[in-house]
Amino acid sequence: AQSVTQLDSQVPVFEEAPVELRCNYSSSVSVYLFWYVQYPNQGLQLLLKYLSGSTLVKGINGFEAEFNKSQTSFHLRKPSVHISDTAEYFCAVSDRDDKIIFGKGTRLHILP
Amino acid sequence: NAGVTQTPKFRVLKTGQSMTLLCAQDMNHEYMYWYRQDPGMGLRLIHYSVGEGTTAKGEVPDGYNVSRLKKQNFLLGLESAAPSQTSVYFCASSRGIEGYTFGSGTRLTVV
Repeated sequence: AQSVTQLDSQVPVFEEAPVELRCNYSSSVSVYLFWYVQYPNQGLQLLLKYLSGSTLVKGINGFEAEFNKSQTSFHLRKPSVHISDTAEYFCAVSDRDDKIIFGKGTRLHILP
Repeated sequence: NAGVTQTPKFRVLKTGQSMTLLCAQDMNHEYMYWYRQDPGMGLRLIHYSVGEGTTAKGEVPDGYNVSRLKKQNFLLGLESAAPSQTSVYFCASSRGIEGYTFGSGTRLTVV
């Protein structure tokens, strides 16, 4: 069965600084990878996804992620964060077309 | 376009009581899911459905039952609530592997 590891439970970063949220997944022949964002007291929204093709995936709100098959990673990056990026971010993986397995989440704290 | 609607949004139950959470989607999605979210645990899949009339167990199915009698609705039942079922419950739906659309959640407290 697939699994996802988010290496940091919390990440503090200063406003306008770059950020990277790390995600590793268990290997499989082919995988689909996702990042979701959850703002306080809300449901989850899809930030970006990798299904196939280019390994650099761009999402909403200036986020991007790179699929690295050899390192089984799918790290999320943003060059300059804003206070509105304060949220919890979930990496997720699927190797089938019927369900997705989520990581435990990384809380992004933006410091003024 | 409402997307995925969960009712109720909040509920407090006494231990041993039963209740049903309703999830409704208006996107004609085949797949529907119930997750629970607990601090530090991420989202864990309870049950899911790949089409009307079908259900399957996820990671943490014990103590829950589900039904998908209509394509647009996915019900999650707790027959005898326990404090360990205190959680935030999320429903999601999808057309396939493109990604889920989530509801806004139901916060359940069992006392």
